[in-house]
Amino acid sequence: DAGVIQSPRHEVTEMGQEVTLRCKPISGHDYLFWYRQTMMRGLELLIYFNNNVPIDDSGMPEDRFSAKMPNASFSTLKIQPSEPRDSAVYFCASSLRGHGYGYTFGSGTRLTVV
Amino acid sequence: QKEVEQDPGPLSVPEGAIVSLNCTYSNSAFQYFMWYRQYSRKGPELLMYTYSSGNKEDGRFTAQVDKSSKYISLFIRDSQPSDSATYLCAMSTVTGGGNKLTFGTGTQLKVEL
Repeated sequence: DAGVIQSPRHEVTEMGQEVTLRCKPISGHDYLFWYRQTMMRGLELLIYFNNNVPIDDSGMPEDRFSAKMPNASFSTLKIQPSEPRDSAVYFCASSLRGHGYGYTFGSGTRLTVV
Repeated sequence: QKEVEQDPGPLSVPEGAIVSLNCTYSNSAFQYFMWYRQYSRKGPELLMYTYSSGNKEDGRFTAQVDKSSKYISLFIRDSQPSDSATYLCAMSTVTGGGNKLTFGTGTQLKVEL
């Protein structure tokens, strides 16, 4: 298995532009999580899905952020319009059956908004 | 106050030293406890997990959980330069709604030759 695959690895965009981050979870995993990591706040959960259905989006900072999971093998996190304070590393992770055994993380997307 | 507190370091030790990394937490509902290791510009990877209180050993790594004190530890014996990374503790409650993990901010460890 190739693990959790995220794209792009790096994204530099101008303030006000739309940004779309992509994630392919591990085949068979039924939970998918989007996290944001910054030096100041560490890893913050933005939203998670179970069987493609959003379960908890309370961590999504503003309406500018949206996430979808149209099928079991693909998810997107969209920021529109982007702002400099959105600059961070965004991680996608997947897990199986919601057990407390931890997640498998992707390598992240490093987003810079200038 | 954050639910999970972790000293950010950095912690610098000589090769071969015993390393102790710690987290404290405030939510008594946490039942699963994990340690992740994150190398620079990589995603976190699961290192160890324990359920409830007690110790768990895996090679040079030992995880301890003291629920009465709301305190968890990770010990690394015979530390190696390859152990240089950021170590994040993570915790979750037993819930049917998915294993939402709450992370510490991570402790940066450097093992020097």
